[in-house]
Amino acid sequence: GQQVMQIPQYQHVQEGEDFTTYCNSSTTLSNIQWYKQRPGGHPVFLIQLVKSGEVKKQKRLTFQFGEAKKNSSLHITATQTTDVGTYFCAGQASGGSYIPTFGRGTSLIVHP
Amino acid sequence: DSGVTQTPKHLITATGQRVTLRCSPRSGDLSVYWYQQSLDQGLQFLIQYYNGEERAKGNILERFSAQQFPDLHSELNLSSLELGDSALYFCASSVVGTGRHSEQFFGPGTRLTVL
Repeated sequence: GQQVMQIPQYQHVQEGEDFTTYCNSSTTLSNIQWYKQRPGGHPVFLIQLVKSGEVKKQKRLTFQFGEAKKNSSLHITATQTTDVGTYFCAGQASGGSYIPTFGRGTSLIVHP
Repeated sequence: DSGVTQTPKHLITATGQRVTLRCSPRSGDLSVYWYQQSLDQGLQFLIQYYNGEERAKGNILERFSAQQFPDLHSELNLSSLELGDSALYFCASSVVGTGRHSEQFFGPGTRLTVL
């Protein structure tokens, strides 16, 4: 079945440093979604990417979808303590599967 | 606030028991998903319902079952509970469940502790 690998599992950064998490799928995706889960909270939808090579920005967050639609990345510029949390990617396979497969997530720890 | 409600917030029970978790989706959302989140397993998809019918099954144990009612709320039933079933159970809803409108809105979760 479809697998979505996400790396790294954990990332410690100093406040102000950049952060990137990567997501790779074993199969071609129709779309990929990104979610953020704060400690003690629930996953919150951030964005969905659909087109090959798509790049979307939300303030300091930049999301990319690979040309082959099998990988994606989330980059945060100049991290802040409010960025702390676990970032999940969720890939929806092309060909009719309705279920996004979640990666294991990357936990971002920001040191002030 | 995502608009998805889950009850109860916490549940403590004993091995062998049976519990029911309840979820009310966002107004207008037809699709409901159930996930299990434990420390070592991440977010595991259990099951999806769309407009009252089962749409997809994930890693759901035979001891677990779910249903979606005509008013679109959903219940997840966990029976013959084992220690390993202790986890956070999330419900999520989406408008459709596929394609461009499949972003999911998660509820606050039910933390289940099996002693």
